[in-house]
Amino acid sequence: QKEVEQNSGPLSVPEGAIASLNCTYSDRVSQSFFWYRQYSGKSPELIMSIYSNGDKEDGRFTAQLNKASQYVSLLIRDSQPSDSATYLCAVLNNAGNMLTFGGGTRLMVKP
Amino acid sequence: DADVTQTPRNRITKTGKRIMLECSQTKGHDRMYWYRQDPGLGLRLIYYSFDVKDINKGEISDGYSVSRQAQAKFSLSLESAIPNQTALYFCATRGTGTDTQYFGPGTRLTVL
Repeated sequence: QKEVEQNSGPLSVPEGAIASLNCTYSDRVSQSFFWYRQYSGKSPELIMSIYSNGDKEDGRFTAQLNKASQYVSLLIRDSQPSDSATYLCAVLNNAGNMLTFGGGTRLMVKP
Repeated sequence: DADVTQTPRNRITKTGKRIMLECSQTKGHDRMYWYRQDPGLGLRLIYYSFDVKDINKGEISDGYSVSRQAQAKFSLSLESAIPNQTALYFCATRGTGTDTQYFGPGTRLTVL
């Protein structure tokens, strides 16, 4: 079983809708969680980090963490075609020295 | 100028050849990483280094070696390339006390 799981998609949403991306992880003691966005042919870039249970909002993005369920999600409000990319969930191990990535979810926002 | 650079950006080679991928950074970060990316598998860690004298294996180090020539330079070598090492390779850096990793532009390697 992969340590960080994501649905590969594609997830298709209309412009202006809310896109919901989900991720589960297996290491119960993990404390730090990240969402990276990767455009086709480009390198990943960090868009959100979250460390505590609950919601964290940054502009149109909201990260949600539930450590009891080992679940982290990313909501994108008012989705735009420019949000079309692959979103990678990443979990930092408890030692703080290794980041494990999920396989990514491809998001398509249709005009 | 880019903070994290990788050379070459694209490379085609043959089975059995020795290949070196290079990474340089101007961010002043002490931590550097090498990942490979395959479709549907996300990024997998090959090696990481926390300073010039510190080298650590990652998830998939077999068939690879690294060298940290200076704080700013971290090279990845494939001693004898094989076709299943065809992938996109990323270098990343991270500063002490922070969690954010910054990625280079990637090297697309094809082993025939």
